[in-house]
Amino acid sequence: AQSVTQPDIHITVSEGASLELRCNYSYGATPYLFWYVQSPGQGLQLLLKYFSGDTLVQGIKGFEAEFKRSQSSFNLRKPSVHWSDAAEYFCAVGASSGNTPLVFGKGTRLSVIA
Amino acid sequence: DAGVIQSPRHEVTEMGQEVTLRCKPISGHDYLFWYRQTMMRGLELLIYFNNNVPIDDSGMPEDRFSAKMPNASFSTLKIQPSEPRDSAVYFCASSLGGANVLTFGAGSRLTVL
Repeated sequence: AQSVTQPDIHITVSEGASLELRCNYSYGATPYLFWYVQSPGQGLQLLLKYFSGDTLVQGIKGFEAEFKRSQSSFNLRKPSVHWSDAAEYFCAVGASSGNTPLVFGKGTRLSVIA
Repeated sequence: DAGVIQSPRHEVTEMGQEVTLRCKPISGHDYLFWYRQTMMRGLELLIYFNNNVPIDDSGMPEDRFSAKMPNASFSTLKIQPSEPRDSAVYFCASSLGGANVLTFGAGSRLTVL
C-alpha cells in the first residue's frame, strides 16, 4: 500500500536560515511525488512535482526537492527561509497512471522566527 | 479562472442539523475530490469523482455522509444528521486528466455544536 511519512511534525527555523523538510514514501512502482503548502486558513497549493527525469526539481517560491530512489525520499529544501514561508507543508505520492488518488503525509508545520 | 470555489467558508450548526457543502471545480477539470482535514487525522480523502461519476467513496465515514456531482461544474457534500465529531475543514479539489496535480479550494470550516 502507498504511504507517505513526514517524520517532523513541527520545525522552527530562523529567517535567512536554510530549510530541509523530510519526506519518505512507500510505493510499489515508480511514483509521482508532490509537495504542497498550506498557509493558515487557505487550501493546499502545489509547490513542485516530480514525474520523471532530473531528480532535482525546482518549484515556486524558491523551493526545490530531490528525489532519491535508493532512500525512497523526496526532501524539500530552501536555501534561505523568509517569514512568509511559515505554513504547513505536505508531501504526497501518486501513481504515474493518475488513476488512483494522491496519498498525503500528515504534514510538517514550519515556524519562522526573527 | 477563479480556481476551485467552495461555499460556505464557515458553517456553525447544531448537532442533528443537515449540512450541505458546495464546490465548483475548475472548468474543464474531469476529476473532483472531497477531503476532510482535522488535527488528529490529518488530510483524509472522502470520495472522488471522474466525469461526474463517483469512483471511490470508501473514505466516507458513515452513511450520514453523502456526495453528489449532478454536472461537471458542481458538487455537494451533505452530512445528515451532523455530529460534533464532524467538525473539521472540508476541502474540495479538482484535476485534469488524472488524479495527480490537484487544485484545492480554500475549504469550508464546519463547526458542529
